[in-house]
Amino acid sequence: AQRVTQPEKLLSVFKGAPVELKCNYSYSGSPELFWYVQYSRQRLQLLLRHISRESIKGFTADLNKGETSFHLKKPFAQEEDSAMYYCALVGYNQGGKLIFGQGTELSVKP
Amino acid sequence: GAVVSQHPSRVICKSGTSVKIECRSLDFQATTMFWYRQFPKQSLMLMATSNEGSKATYEQGVEKDKFLINHASLTLSTLTVTSAHPEDSSFYICSARVNHGATYEQYFGPGTRLTVT
Repeated sequence: AQRVTQPEKLLSVFKGAPVELKCNYSYSGSPELFWYVQYSRQRLQLLLRHISRESIKGFTADLNKGETSFHLKKPFAQEEDSAMYYCALVGYNQGGKLIFGQGTELSVKP
Repeated sequence: GAVVSQHPSRVICKSGTSVKIECRSLDFQATTMFWYRQFPKQSLMLMATSNEGSKATYEQGVEKDKFLINHASLTLSTLTVTSAHPEDSSFYICSARVNHGATYEQYFGPGTRLTVT
């Protein structure tokens, strides 16, 4: 079964500390993985996707097929990074649906 | 960039009445739209996939007669919650899919807060 797991419901760090939001997946085939972010009272928006290999707002994520992980990292957290973060994969053999993880709330304290 | 709007942003209705929520792609055409439900600080639960000109595909456990979806044009999908009850109170989010060659990207609406009293 295709599944995305984010083990941490809440991650709290201090400003300037490194951040790693964990994401593991199960998928038969080559997955396409995403991180979405939802700031308070705003819509869900794409943060980054693994195929583009970009760094957005200082965040990076590397797809590790051996560990079936797609962890999101940032070396120095900022207060404005506080938000809900969702890892997701596209189930192309399920009509292209996005399968979301449970979400991790990141709280960056001053 | 691609923008998706939803209307209304908030709605309060009485138990037993029906409510219609609109989802529009403003600057692009979307053959496929998705409807989600989100509870506070929880993940998005996919309710159904809406395809222009055809019947929606509902996820397991979602009552199609209760959550009516119509995707009559390439820029508009509607979700009607029929005979709403307090347990239908939730945040409803739509998204529209855009094809980028062999891959897709989804753009999300701002959501509609439904409160059933």
